[in-house]
Formats: sequence, C-alpha cells, structure tokens
Amino acid sequence: QVQLQESGPRLLKPSETLSLTCTVSGGSVITYYWSWVRQPAGQGLEWIGRIYSSGVTNYNPSFKSRITMSIDTSENQFSLKLTSVTAADTAVYYCARLSTGIQPWGQGTLVTVSS
Amino acid sequence: QSALTQPASVSGSPGQSITISCTGTSSDVGSYSLVSWCQQHPGRAPKLIIYEGTKRPSGISTRFSGSKSGNTASLTISGLQADDEADYYCYSYAGSGTWVFGGGTKLTVL
Repeated sequence: QVQLQESGPRLLKPSETLSLTCTVSGGSVITYYWSWVRQPAGQGLEWIGRIYSSGVTNYNPSFKSRITMSIDTSENQFSLKLTSVTAADTAVYYCARLSTGIQPWGQGTLVTVSS
Repeated sequence: QSALTQPASVSGSPGQSITISCTGTSSDVGSYSLVSWCQQHPGRAPKLIIYEGTKRPSGISTRFSGSKSGNTASLTISGLQADDEADYYCYSYAGSGTWVFGGGTKLTVL
C-alpha cells in the first residue's frame, strides 16, 4: 500500500526557512493531489496546501505569502517550503494524499522553531 | 477561511451512541458533498473514517456513520468501545482548491 515519509531539518531558528520533503512509496505521485497538514502541540489540525502531480498548487490563504510547494515525479516526492518561520510555526508536519478525503498520512515530523 | 466549529469534548459510556457536530458555512460544508472525518489517537497520525459525507473507507467499522444537513455535518459512533476514545476532526472542501479543518473534538469513553 501507499506509504509516506516526511524528512527535513527538525530544528530551525526564527526567520529561517522550513524545508520538508515527503517521499511516497508503494504508489506513484502521478494523478493525485498531495497535501501538507500541521498540528501544534496540543492543538488541532491545520491544512497548509495541496499540489497536483502537474505542479498546480492551492494554498491556505493564511500561509500564502510564505509558502511554496513543489513536486518531483521522477523521485516520487513532493516538498514544502515555509519562509520566515517563527515560534508559532512549531508543529508536527504531516504529508498526506488528498482525494475526497485525506489518506494515507505520513507519520509526521516535529519541527521546532527556537532561538 | 475560518475553521469549522466542533464541540471541544463529548463523552459516552460503552455501548452507547454519540454524535459530533461540525458546523461550517454555505461556502464550505453547505456547498459541497466533500466533508470528511478523521480519528486521531494520541501520538498517532490521523486516520480517515468518513469521506464524502457518508462513505466509509475499506476496513472502517459500520459503527461509524456520517450525515449532513445544511451547513452542519455530523459523525455518529454507535456501540461505543474503549478504543474509540480519541480526537475526531471534520474537514471540508472550501472552494478554490482549499480545505478547512474543524477544531477537533475529544471523545471520552466513560
């Protein structure tokens, strides 16, 4: 079955850029939408954005000025970049496949922003 | 884009049924048949339990059911079991390629 795994730096300083990659195994990234969702500790889920295999993106307006998503179909990966991070961006970041529901999900990776 | 509204907590005894509401607007829940629900146990990734408002993915118990009326979607869990104790989130398509989550509901099985 399709599995997803997030990777990237886990500790950032304020103003740096968060960069995460999601590697998809057991299936192709082609002809699906792929999403990022985050969850601050003890809080709810927040949809960040989605990317289609063609590269078309849609973002949560809350992030629009700071976010870039990209996809590499040859590597079966997609990525998230979030610029100018602050402590408020500290969260578990999940990558997931988005259809008419979100499934499957990666295990999540905790990214901490601290000076 | 505002978060969908869910009760912060609900509780029920084993064997009982509970319902969790998810209230949005005519721009999201009310406009699309694309409401989903996920279950999240502590320290785990969320798991899809209902999609397109009423459909269950393969392997999800028939004790979980979804419905929608106007701008409010609902998740009903019947025959409560101890393992149902978890956080539950609704989310909906909100137009223009965007999605929005509810704030989450903590279910306690008494």
